[in-house]
Amino acid sequence: EPEVTQTPSHQVTQMGQEVILRCVPISNHLYFYWYRQILGQKVEFLVSFYNNEISEKSEIFDDQFSVERPDGSNFTLKIRSTKLEDSAMYFCASIKRRDTDTQYFGPGTRLTVL
Amino acid sequence: AQSVTQPDIHITVSEGASLELRCNYSYGATPYLFWYVQSPGQGLQLLLKYFSGDTLVQGIKGFEAEFKRSQSSFNLRKPSVHWSDAAEYFCAVSYNNNDMRFGAGTRLTVKP
Repeated sequence: EPEVTQTPSHQVTQMGQEVILRCVPISNHLYFYWYRQILGQKVEFLVSFYNNEISEKSEIFDDQFSVERPDGSNFTLKIRSTKLEDSAMYFCASIKRRDTDTQYFGPGTRLTVL
Repeated sequence: AQSVTQPDIHITVSEGASLELRCNYSYGATPYLFWYVQSPGQGLQLLLKYFSGDTLVQGIKGFEAEFKRSQSSFNLRKPSVHWSDAAEYFCAVSYNNNDMRFGAGTRLTVKP
């Protein structure tokens, strides 16, 4: 069964550094998402992406965040200058059709900001 | 404001006992409804979903959920819990199946 993959599984970085989290959505999917889950808290929507542009974003997704689909397979989340509070599990998800399908989630990348 | 409420932070049940996890939502229209399960350190696995039609939906691992429009609820049930069901359970809603909003989660402990 096809699945969403994410790399790395764990990323450790220093405060102020830039990080790029990578996701490979399911190949024929058209809509892509990033969510985050701070340890012990609920999963929060960050951004959705369709047709090479952001379709929706939450209040969390400020100017420090950006997303990109640099080629036909990868979907990336960049945090320009990480803060301690960015430490969380980041999940990527994808979907083919919004009216019938369910978002498939990747295994997540744990980001630790020191 | 749109919100998802899971009133129970932690539930403990005995193995073999029945289970019901509560979920209420506040949305302007009937949203898409989901239940996910998360084991420690793992990703999110979909248990079941409701988009339209029959309000009682069956999912994987013997779970079912019932959508009650009048109560704005989508409670998850299982008739007989197994020790392997111990995990965190998240209810989620989405108005347009785009930005998904999650509840705070209910942690399930199963006693032998």
